[in-house]
Parts: sequence; C-alpha cells; structure tokens
Amino acid sequence: GAGVSQSPSNKVTEKGKDVELRCDPISGHTALYWYRQSLGQGLEFLIYFQGNSAPDKSGLPSDRFSAERTGGSVSTLTIQRTQQEDSAVYLCASSFGSSSWFNEQFFGPGTRLTVL
Amino acid sequence: AQSVTQLGSHVSVSEGALVLLRCNYSSSVPPYLFWYVQYPNQGLQLLLKYTSAATLVKGINGFEAEFKKSETSFHLTKPSAHMSDAAEYFCAVTSTGNQFYFGTGTSLTVIP
Repeated sequence: GAGVSQSPSNKVTEKGKDVELRCDPISGHTALYWYRQSLGQGLEFLIYFQGNSAPDKSGLPSDRFSAERTGGSVSTLTIQRTQQEDSAVYLCASSFGSSSWFNEQFFGPGTRLTVL
Repeated sequence: AQSVTQLGSHVSVSEGALVLLRCNYSSSVPPYLFWYVQYPNQGLQLLLKYTSAATLVKGINGFEAEFKKSETSFHLTKPSAHMSDAAEYFCAVTSTGNQFYFGTGTSLTVIP
C-alpha cells in the first residue's frame, strides 16, 4: 500500500475485555515498531520486529500485552483484560532495511483506544 | 538507559520569527538523534536525523538541528516561521535501532 495502515482507527471497549489492534506496514519494510502515546506523554516504545529475528519485547508494559507479526508483514497487538490506564493512541511504524536507525520510520495514523 | 527531554511543551512564535525547539538527550553510548513532526490529524513524519556524520543536520521545510555533544543537545531551529509550521514536534534518540526513546513533544503555535 501507499503507507502504513492501522485498524481500527478508534476502539472503545469495556474494562476487562480483550482487544486486537492491526498494523499493515509498507510492503517490503522489514522492521516494524509499536508505540503507545498517552495524553500529554511522548511515544512509549512497546515492541520491535526485524525480519525473521526474535522480536524485542522489552517495552511491553505487562504480560497482558502481546504482539505478533505473521509472514513478516501484518502485525497484531493484543491487549488482554484491558484496564483504564491502557487508554491511549497506539502507533505502528515500519522501516526498510536491517540498519533501521538509518532508515526513516513511516508511521501509521494510529488506533485510539478508550477503555471505559 | 537513554532518554530525551524537550523543554517547553508549548512554544509560540510570530510568523517570520526564529523557531527554537529544545531537546537534550541522555545516553551512555553514542546516540542517533531524530526530530519528527506531527501535523494536526496526521501521522508522524521524519524532519531530520543525526547519525554521526555532520553535526549540523538539515531537514525538510527549512529546519535544521545541531548536535552538540558537550551540551548533550540537539535543538531544532528554523530562521523564519511559517503558519504551516504549526504542529507537534518530537525529539527521539536511539543507539541500537531497536528501541527509540521519544520526548513528550513540543506544540508549536505560529502567530500571524
């Protein structure tokens, strides 16, 4: 596609429910990142995928959060038993190449998650 | 551990005036530094990046930033603000390319 796409754009859920957020990176991009942007906060790194390597999960805030990337393309971020503090905008970004920091990250429009 | 601090969550400048957005970083290893911009209702896009080549980095839309190791700073400047520069600006640092640490952002308002 032309850019990184994310779905849904908005998600409202009840506390305790599970949610899945989807990211479609730019075709051919080997690196994929998930970030969380809370109100008044900067972007918080969650997880990083690079090709077929094991993902860097060091930013996931708790074991309720998990992510996978199927076939090196689409990624799904899953939040189990959602809490109100999970409310935020979840951003996905992708970049090309193994030396990811030299290559621009292209960001998706984000998914705004609201936990009631 | 790495981090960035952006001084001033809100900055207002008059159209045509100098834009200065501050970013200080903390890193125990040589950092790679970035500025991203987020226009209203749009995703983040890269303005410029420092990757240990020239310390003065030029980016898009007339922005530039200078890496000053002695001051651990990477401030963003533009000589003359345009109305279209109104946006949220984020500074970020990485040393591995895996984890990027972003600042809390600076909202720039341009006054006509």
